[in-house]
Amino acid sequence: GAGVSQTPSNKVTEKGKYVELRCDPISGHTALYWYRQSLGQGPEFLIYFQGTGAADDSGLPNDRFFAVRPEGSVSTLKIQRTERGDSAVYLCASSLVASDGHRFFGPGTRLTVL
Amino acid sequence: KNEVEQSPQNLTAQEGEFITINCSYSVGISALHWLQQHPGGGIVSLFMLSSGKKKHGRLIATINIQEKHSSLHITASHPRDSAVYICAVPRNGGGADGLTFGKGTHLIIQP
Repeated sequence: GAGVSQTPSNKVTEKGKYVELRCDPISGHTALYWYRQSLGQGPEFLIYFQGTGAADDSGLPNDRFFAVRPEGSVSTLKIQRTERGDSAVYLCASSLVASDGHRFFGPGTRLTVL
Repeated sequence: KNEVEQSPQNLTAQEGEFITINCSYSVGISALHWLQQHPGGGIVSLFMLSSGKKKHGRLIATINIQEKHSSLHITASHPRDSAVYICAVPRNGGGADGLTFGKGTHLIIQP
């Protein structure tokens, strides 16, 4: 597709479970960003990949959160032992090259932890 | 880390009015982003600007780098402009950084 895609669009899980959220960036985009948006708030930065490596993971809230991008395209955000406070929309964005700055956002995955 | 303040938080106006949304930030930046988010929808990038002014249709964005301030204007506003408008800047000022977002301005244009 032409844009950033994210799957699933909605995910409902129970407290304590493990979840994986997937992001497919625009083909050829080297930079990939994960954000989290709670209800009524602006997005918060989680992690940024340049190619396969995490260039900045300082936004990850704790060690239950982890993200990978093994081949420099698709990325997976992994959350262990989910808590109700993890409920949010998880947004992914990509950029052709990091320094270019133009960001293209995916539609988000709405995560609900019961 | 950069901090972003946006105002107003909420704005209701009549169709046709000229709209201004303001954004200020704390750390010098390479570029500032204006984004639009419709309820339940994704985020769309409107502008990325590093100096002066940019115009796209009825939308105009300006930035004053020295004062660390930017404005988004909408001329001849229309109900379809109703959305949340968000200002965002690089967390540490650099172009490649993840973004720090303002809390957004919830705009409602009434017919």
